Amino acid sequence: GEDVEQSLFLSVREGDSSVINCTYTDSSSTYLYWYKQEPGAGLQLLTYIFSNMDMKQDQRLTVLLNKKDKHLSLRIADTQTGDSAIYFCAERETGSSASKIIFGSGTRLSIRP
Amino acid sequence: DSGVTQTPKHLITATGQRVTLRCSPRSGDLSVYWYQQSLDQGLQFLIQYYNGEERAKGNILERFSAQQFPDLHSELNLSSLELGDSALYFCASSSSGAGHNEQFFGPGTRLTVL
Repeated sequence: GEDVEQSLFLSVREGDSSVINCTYTDSSSTYLYWYKQEPGAGLQLLTYIFSNMDMKQDQRLTVLLNKKDKHLSLRIADTQTGDSAIYFCAERETGSSASKIIFGSGTRLSIRP
Repeated sequence: DSGVTQTPKHLITATGQRVTLRCSPRSGDLSVYWYQQSLDQGLQFLIQYYNGEERAKGNILERFSAQQFPDLHSELNLSSLELGDSALYFCASSSSGAGHNEQFFGPGTRLTVL
């Protein structure tokens, strides 16, 4: 079945770049997503990438997709304390009008002063 | 504010009981999704409804059921509750299955089973 894996924790210094990595198993996924969950809140879509793209940049966020290795990464430039959250990688099941999305376990990003 | 509302925010109940969680999707969204987030299982997709009909099923237990009403709000019913059912339950909504189909998440209902 489909599976999405991420490391559980990442700690970075304020001002540095954060890189959160994710691997997935469904090679025919159409969309891959990064969601952010702040403490006590629901998930919020940060960005997404279509499977025929290699890279997407949106302000401080850069998403890289290596389809051959089924590897997705999220880079946050100039990491700030407000970036502290859990980041979920997710893939959308292909050929599915049901839009089922499979989430990873989430990476908890903490910022050191 | 995502526009998705969930009630109640917190729920404390005992084993063996039954509870109902409620979700109102964003205005105009036809799809509603239910997820369970627990410490040991991460975020698990439970079930999806689209315009009143069940569209996809994930890791939903037989003790759990859901429905979507004509006004598009949805309810998740959890029965014969066990300690392991304690979790955050999220509802999300989206407009349709087309495109990247962003899902908007509600704030969640925290269920504690004692």
